[in-house]
Amino acid sequence: AQSVTQLDSQVPVFEEAPVELRCNYSSSVSVYLFWYVQYPNQGLQLLLKYLSGSTLVKGINGFEAEFNKSQTSFHLRKPSVHISDTAEYFCAVSDTDSNYQLIWGAGTKLIIKP
Amino acid sequence: DAGITQSPRHKVTETGTPVTLRCHQTENHRYMYWYRQDPGHGLRLIHYSYGVKDTDKGEVSDGYSVSRSKTEDFLLTLESATSSQTSVYFCAISPSGGPYNEQFFGPGTRLTVL
Repeated sequence: AQSVTQLDSQVPVFEEAPVELRCNYSSSVSVYLFWYVQYPNQGLQLLLKYLSGSTLVKGINGFEAEFNKSQTSFHLRKPSVHISDTAEYFCAVSDTDSNYQLIWGAGTKLIIKP
Repeated sequence: DAGITQSPRHKVTETGTPVTLRCHQTENHRYMYWYRQDPGHGLRLIHYSYGVKDTDKGEVSDGYSVSRSKTEDFLLTLESATSSQTSVYFCAISPSGGPYNEQFFGPGTRLTVL
């Protein structure tokens, strides 16, 4: 069965520092990968997605993620974070085994320290 | 923003009472989903619908039922609420159920069962 592991439940980082949020998945077939962001007291919105092609994917708000098939990872990065990036970030995977339903990680809270 | 509303936004109820949550969309998307969000679990799929009167179970469907009599409305019913169903419930919509399965989320309903 597929699963998504977000290795850190919380990541504290100073403002203007770089950040990486880690996501690993288990799947034996072709996958489609997503990062969603949830700002406090709001619903989720799509940050970026990997469907095919280039393994480096750019999203909104300066975020990017790299698909690494050999390591079954899809880590999210930003070179310089801002207070407004304070949110919870969710990684999700979709494939034929899940009938294309999204399988979600537990989330990583990004905490920006001033 | 995708036109998705959820009602009520907050509800407090007692164990054993029935509860119905409503999701309404104005996007005419075919797929609609109900998730629950609990700390440490990310999002877990309860039920989803792929058309009017076409629904299927998700990962955590026990104790929940759904109905979709119109494209725009998807109802989630807890027949007899239990304290374990205290959670934040999110509705999501998607134009397709295929691999390009970007989902758009509503603002959520916070349900407390006493």
